[in-house]
Amino acid sequence: DAGITQSPRHKVTETGTPVTLRCHQTENHRYMYWYRQDPGHGLRLIHYSYGVKDTDKGEVSDGYSVSRSKTEDFLLTLESATSSQTSVYFCAIRASAHQETQYFGPGTRLLVL
Amino acid sequence: AQKITQTQPGMFVQEKEAVTLDCTYDTSDPSYGLFWYKQPSSGEMIFLIYQGSYDQQNATEGRYSLNFQKARKSANLVISASQLGDSAMYFCAMMGGSGGSNYKLTFGKGTLLTVNP
Repeated sequence: DAGITQSPRHKVTETGTPVTLRCHQTENHRYMYWYRQDPGHGLRLIHYSYGVKDTDKGEVSDGYSVSRSKTEDFLLTLESATSSQTSVYFCAIRASAHQETQYFGPGTRLLVL
Repeated sequence: AQKITQTQPGMFVQEKEAVTLDCTYDTSDPSYGLFWYKQPSSGEMIFLIYQGSYDQQNATEGRYSLNFQKARKSANLVISASQLGDSAMYFCAMMGGSGGSNYKLTFGKGTLLTVNP
């Protein structure tokens, strides 16, 4: 258990509304990541953070923003949700003491109607 | 750019038999790491095994072993003595380079393994 929680775990929202997903970790890991999982695509990196206020884009960052004001929290925001953002969102941390392995949170299922 | 290819969308195996899940990769980095994750129907992502590009021996973790063939750029997962609980989606992933890559993972599309009783 890498001490990662995600909230909410499930969310249904309407097109055009803002949505914020939260990832919380309890073990002071420096690196955190947001991925989305869609059928036929595996997991794709949206954004990542390498420290407080230090973030960068991943492979599929359009339509998403992130913030990290505290080590333990990494927020993913959909400024104006679209149906194409219906997905399962996973947060992960990098465990530098374990061969750089990334450990994942339980995921958030987001449905945009 | 890095790429992971899993060519088997689905695999079937009989309980207690061994099964190999294929993974090939492409990278220009001399240093990289390869990972396998399991995703059961409940949805969580579970880390299984890691292989570093400079590791001399194939990685093993209990019933899981990684058949690493560097020249062929393959990192196949071998599950011995399959159990019904092994039925899941399996993802191969690569972490490129050193810290310069910020330890980002690139995933394959996955292989759905079904273990038959």
